[in-house]
Amino acid sequence: DIVMTQSPDSLAVSLGERATINCKSGHSVSYNSNNKNYLAWYQLKAGHPPKLLIYWASTRAFGVPDRFSGSGSGTDFTLTISSLQAEDVAVYYCQQHFSTPWTFGQGTKVEIK
Amino acid sequence: EVRLVQSGLEVKKPGESLKISCQASGYKFVSNYIAWVRQMPGEGLEWMGIIYPSDSSSSYSRYFQGQVTFSADESINTAYLQWSSLKPSDTAMYYCARQHDSGGDSFDFWGQGTMVVVSS
Repeated sequence: DIVMTQSPDSLAVSLGERATINCKSGHSVSYNSNNKNYLAWYQLKAGHPPKLLIYWASTRAFGVPDRFSGSGSGTDFTLTISSLQAEDVAVYYCQQHFSTPWTFGQGTKVEIK
Repeated sequence: EVRLVQSGLEVKKPGESLKISCQASGYKFVSNYIAWVRQMPGEGLEWMGIIYPSDSSSSYSRYFQGQVTFSADESINTAYLQWSSLKPSDTAMYYCARQHDSGGDSFDFWGQGTMVVVSS
């Protein structure tokens, strides 16, 4: 199984400041043949289902604000919230879909400082 | 508008059977597989497997193989997750999610979740 490790486990950021979440995979999740990274990011708010934020490591899903961005390749990926808003308080998960079983990181809790 | 609507809270006793549902609307049901994802209390997300509504073929994570069964009814755009004999360790929130149209095996729409509580 590909183990996904996120860091930090939690972070507190002031409103309007940048939040950065890292995700490291135990195996590359990139295919050289198509140059795609099989990595997605989700937001999970209390009482709500997960919401897809980013797919292919850096493509924003429909309707996702542009303050959310994804980057990285191979084994190291980052989700950045450029200017944290109150509604961004949530737990964020990365997911690899390179090989089954598809696996998620343990989650990173984002709070307001 | 794509929607996945799941059945409601279930409280069951150990050893009982259960079938929960996920009804899809707003797209062609057979065009995308449905995935099932578990979240145990205080824990993260775990992929359980997928079902293709077009032919009801399924692929299970080996951690859930033999523990659960997926099924689908194309006539009512509904996918199901069932247990034949529940255990207390099955207590969790269960989500269904749709395969992304163009995002590989990421999941672009999710159901609201079904909470399953198994307790004597």
